[in-house]
Amino acid sequence: AQSVTQLGSHVSVSEGALVLLRCNYSSSVPPYLFWYVQYPNQGLQLLLKYTTGATLVKGINGFEAEFKKSETSFHLTKPSAHMSDAAEYFCAVSDGNTDKLIFGTGTRLQVFP
Amino acid sequence: EPEVTQTPSHQVTQMGQEVILRCVPISNHLYFYWYRQILGQKVEFLVSFYNNEISEKSEIFDDQFSVERPDGSNFTLKIRSTKLEDSAMYFCASNEVSSYNEQFFGPGTRLTVL
Repeated sequence: AQSVTQLGSHVSVSEGALVLLRCNYSSSVPPYLFWYVQYPNQGLQLLLKYTTGATLVKGINGFEAEFKKSETSFHLTKPSAHMSDAAEYFCAVSDGNTDKLIFGTGTRLQVFP
Repeated sequence: EPEVTQTPSHQVTQMGQEVILRCVPISNHLYFYWYRQILGQKVEFLVSFYNNEISEKSEIFDDQFSVERPDGSNFTLKIRSTKLEDSAMYFCASNEVSSYNEQFFGPGTRLTVL
C-alpha cells in the first residue's frame, strides 16, 4: 500500500530564508508525486507534480522539488521565503493505476519578518 | 480561471440527520472525487466517480455515504445518518483526464455533527 510521511507538522523560517519541507513516500510501483498548498479558508492548490522524466520539478511561486528514488523522497524547497508563503503544504502520492491521491498529514509553514 | 465550488461552506447538523454536500466541478472535467479531512488528521480519499458511476471507494465510504451527479453540473455527497465522527472538512475535486493529471480542489465544506 502507498503512504506518505511528512516530517515536521510545523516549520518556521524567517523571510528570505530557505524553505525545506520534507516528504517521504512508500510505493511498490513508480509513483506520481504531488505537492499541494492550502491557504486559509481555501481549497488545495497544486504547486507541482512529478510523473515521469526530469527528477527536478519546478512549480509555481518559486517552489521546486526533487524526486529521489533511492531515498524515496520528494522534498519541497524554495530558496527565499516570502511572507505570502505561509500556508499548509501537503505531499501526495498516486500510483497511476488508480487516480486517488494518498496525502501526508501536512506541514504548516510560518514565515517571520 | 475556472474553479471547483462547494456549498455550503459550513454545515451544522444533529447526529442521525441526513446531509447533502454539493459541489460544482469544472465544466469540462469528467472525473470527480470526494476527500475528507478530520481536524488535525490527513486528507483521506473517499470516492471517485466517472461516467455516472463510482470507479473506486475507500473503506470509509460505507453504506451511509452515496454520491450522485443529478444534473450536468452538480456532484453531491450524501450522508444518510450522520455520526459524530463524520465531523470533518469535505473536499470535492475534479480533473479532465484520469491518472496523474492535476486534480482541482474546491474550498471545502466544514461539516459539524452535534
